[in-house]
Amino acid sequence: SQQGEEDPQALSIQEGENATMNCSYKTSINNLQWYRQNSGRGLVHLILIRSNEREKHSGRLRVTLDTSKKSSSLLITASRAADTASYFCATSQGGSEKLVFGKGMKLTVNP
Amino acid sequence: GAVVSQHPSRVICKSGTSVKIECRSLDFQATTMFWYRQFPKQSLMLMATSNEGSKATYEQGVEKDKFLINHASLTLSTLTVTSAHPEDSSFYICSARENRDGNYNSPLHFGNGTRLTVT
Repeated sequence: SQQGEEDPQALSIQEGENATMNCSYKTSINNLQWYRQNSGRGLVHLILIRSNEREKHSGRLRVTLDTSKKSSSLLITASRAADTASYFCATSQGGSEKLVFGKGMKLTVNP
Repeated sequence: GAVVSQHPSRVICKSGTSVKIECRSLDFQATTMFWYRQFPKQSLMLMATSNEGSKATYEQGVEKDKFLINHASLTLSTLTVTSAHPEDSSFYICSARENRDGNYNSPLHFGNGTRLTVT
């Protein structure tokens, strides 16, 4: 079953602005991962944050995790038109190798 | 980086025929691969977990006789949609995790997906 829920569902911003996407989940997790999908393509892994971590950075990406609120956020700074894509959060739960994906969020960065 | 190759990228078939989709890990070994299905503008739905040398584990509601999975080697898993019908039209995506990465605290590597259209 789908667990993660991204918010907002769609976001349109201008190049150079920051984009923030939120993800909520319901059960305890091992880690939370963010993926990006260009239209009609597979997913690309962006960043993984473990349940005992609170913040992680990778280039222009910043991810936070609040296990008490069961939520995560992905911040993309200084957005570019090439960042236009759908973004998904996914959680790993219990001892399972499976990932459960959220509904996704469509980000449009206008040049 | 780890590359997963999925083939074909697009296939159109007639109702009642079967279609095979291949998923290969090109530069790593993967004991476990995952098959997802994605409807337009929706999330990924896990169909099954493919295990090398053993039977696949199907998610609830997924017909194992309809979606045949074979994982014959550490680098190849196949999904066969048998007796396809228009409602099977969808985007199918495979993914794999490198064996050396261990269990769940590592990312999945995805193929580019297969767009199946059943007429």
